[in-house]
Amino acid sequence: KQEVTQIPAALSVPEGENLVLNCSFTDSAIYNLQWFRQDPGKGLTSLLLIQSSQREQTSGRLNASLDKSSGRSTLYIAASQPGDSATYLCAVTGATNKLIFGTGTLLAVQP
Amino acid sequence: DGGITQSPKYLFRKEGQNVTLSCEQNLNHDAMYWYRQDPGQGLRLIYYSQIVNDFQKGDIAEGYSVSREKKESFPLTVTSAQKNPTAFYLCASSIGDRGNEQFFGPGTRLTVL
Repeated sequence: KQEVTQIPAALSVPEGENLVLNCSFTDSAIYNLQWFRQDPGKGLTSLLLIQSSQREQTSGRLNASLDKSSGRSTLYIAASQPGDSATYLCAVTGATNKLIFGTGTLLAVQP
Repeated sequence: DGGITQSPKYLFRKEGQNVTLSCEQNLNHDAMYWYRQDPGQGLRLIYYSQIVNDFQKGDIAEGYSVSREKKESFPLTVTSAQKNPTAFYLCASSIGDRGNEQFFGPGTRLTVL
C-alpha cells in the first residue's frame, strides 16, 4: 500500500531564505507526483506536476525534483517571502490511479 | 472564468439529517473527485467519476453517495449513516483519470451540531 510522508511537519524560516520541503513515498511505481499549496480554510492550488519520466519541474521561484528509484521528491523555494506561508502537500498517482496525499508541511516565513 | 465551484462554503447539519454538497466545473473535464480532509491527516478519496453516469467508490465511501448526471456537476450527499461527518470536503476535476493534473475547488466545511 502506497504511503506518502512529508518531513518536517512544520517549518519556520526568515524572509529571503532558500528552503527545501521533502516528500517520500513507499512504492516507486507511480505515474506522477504533484505538489500543492493550501492556505488556511481554502482549497488546494496545484504548483507543479512531475511525470514519472521527468526529473524536475520549475515554475518561477519553485523547483520540484523527483527521484523515483529512491522514492523521494523535494520542493525547493528560492528567496522565500511571507506570502509563501501556507501548507504544502505532495501527492502521488500510482497503480491504483488514485492520488495519495501526504499530511503536509506547514511553512511560516517570518518578515 | 474557468474553474471549480463548491457550495455552500459552510454547512451545518443536525444529527440524522442528510445534506448535499454541490460541485460544479466549467473546465470541460471528464473526471471528478470528492475528498475529505481532517486535521492532521492527508486528503482521503470518497468517490470519483471518470465519465457521466459512472462513478466508483474511493477509500472511505461508507455513509456517502454521489451522482453524475451531467459532465459539469458531481454532487455529494452525506447521509445519516456517516458516523463522523464533520470535516472539510474538497472537490476536484481532471481532464482524464489517469495521471492527469487535478484541480481543486475552494471546499465546503461541514459541521454536525
